[in-house]
Amino acid sequence: AQTVTQSQPEMSVQEAETVTLSCTYDTSENNYYLFWYKQPPSRQMILVIRQEAYKQQNATENRFSVNFQKAAKSFSLKISDSQLGDTAMYFCAFMKLNAGNMLTFGGGTRLMVKP
Amino acid sequence: DAGVTQSPTHLIKTRGQHVTLRCSPISGHKSVSWYQQVLGQGPQFIFQYYEKEERGRGNFPDRFSARQFPNYSSELNVNALLLGDSALYLCASSLWTGGNEQYFGPGTRLTVT
Repeated sequence: AQTVTQSQPEMSVQEAETVTLSCTYDTSENNYYLFWYKQPPSRQMILVIRQEAYKQQNATENRFSVNFQKAAKSFSLKISDSQLGDTAMYFCAFMKLNAGNMLTFGGGTRLMVKP
Repeated sequence: DAGVTQSPTHLIKTRGQHVTLRCSPISGHKSVSWYQQVLGQGPQFIFQYYEKEERGRGNFPDRFSARQFPNYSSELNVNALLLGDSALYLCASSLWTGGNEQYFGPGTRLTVT
């Protein structure tokens, strides 16, 4: 079974600064997907970024980028130029390849962006 | 285009009762997954249905069941409710199964008293 661990329950950052959220996972699989999801206080979960394990290049989506270290089983999310609208719960999630759509989520990190 | 919709938004039930939660996927999406999110925790996978067949089941008791209809909407049923079933129940839809992006609905908040 896969496990996903987010070691930072809460974090805060000043508006316009950069913050990095940590995620580690444990799996015996070689091919899989990793995701970061954002859940704002309104509670609808939104996909932030996705990484395929077979790709060495780190995924980037505008102000969001990841540092994927496959050997270390680490998948951190960097948010640049933080905005007030980035305030939310952030969940790291794992999905096995060719095993349906089952996501295994971490416990989440609550991010507060301060003005 | 409408996103994933879920009904009802909130629900209060008594221990031992039965509940049915409903989900309508994004038009054209054939896969629906259900997750339980207890307050302060990450979501936990309950079921996935694709093309009306069960494609995955999480570690939940048999009191939990689900089905998918010909129009790809889905129902989650929970029997003999326990206090511990109080949670936000999330539905997610995707075009097909396996690695593609899932779009989540706003959830149904179930409170069991």
